[in-house]
Amino acid sequence: DAGITQSPRHKVTETGTPVTLRCHQTENHRYMYWYRQDPGHGLRLIHYSYGVKDTDKGEVSDGYSVSRSKTEDFLLTLESATSSQTSVYFCAISVTGVYQETQYFGPGTRLLVL
Amino acid sequence: QKEVEQNSGPLSVPEGAIASLNCTYSDRGSQSFFWYRQYSGKSPEWIMSIYSNGDKEDGRFTAQLNKASQYVSLLIRDSQPSDSATYLCAVPRNNNDMRFGAGTRLTVKP
Repeated sequence: DAGITQSPRHKVTETGTPVTLRCHQTENHRYMYWYRQDPGHGLRLIHYSYGVKDTDKGEVSDGYSVSRSKTEDFLLTLESATSSQTSVYFCAISVTGVYQETQYFGPGTRLLVL
Repeated sequence: QKEVEQNSGPLSVPEGAIASLNCTYSDRGSQSFFWYRQYSGKSPEWIMSIYSNGDKEDGRFTAQLNKASQYVSLLIRDSQPSDSATYLCAVPRNNNDMRFGAGTRLTVKP
């Protein structure tokens, strides 16, 4: 699991409520990512971070915000949850190897928005 | 056209056979290619990467790349029931934006 934990692992919430998902890593990796995974779409990048307080948008960032105040924590916030944000959310870190940067994933958070 | 395309499957092979999983990509400038395996209800696990045209072998897995055809494949030799999973192909747009295919579901029947 590359030293990545996500919390909560499961959450049920109601439309219109804010939701924050947490990703925690133990190995001081610089790059962290938030993806969502939906049937037929695969994994899609929401936001990523390249350092403390340094973040950028991904492919499907609308309705989401992120924060990274410490190297080890990357938070994803759904400002006002909608049913279309029901999904499985994965956090990932990037590990630099000899030839490439490889992404490793956390265990995921299943979110249901009613 | 999706940036990374895979047949969704399911692909079913008998135990001991070779499973062949295919992926095409649209960005001709792509330089590196990744394969991940995802068991049902679990997170994706990196299997292997390939950067140069040709084959790259790692145990029972062989990745094949043909940049002229914009095609990358993963072969699994001596398939086992434990190989039953969804296999994801991924191609970076840049260092920070990995594009994933929707995955091919593989079933290996005993």
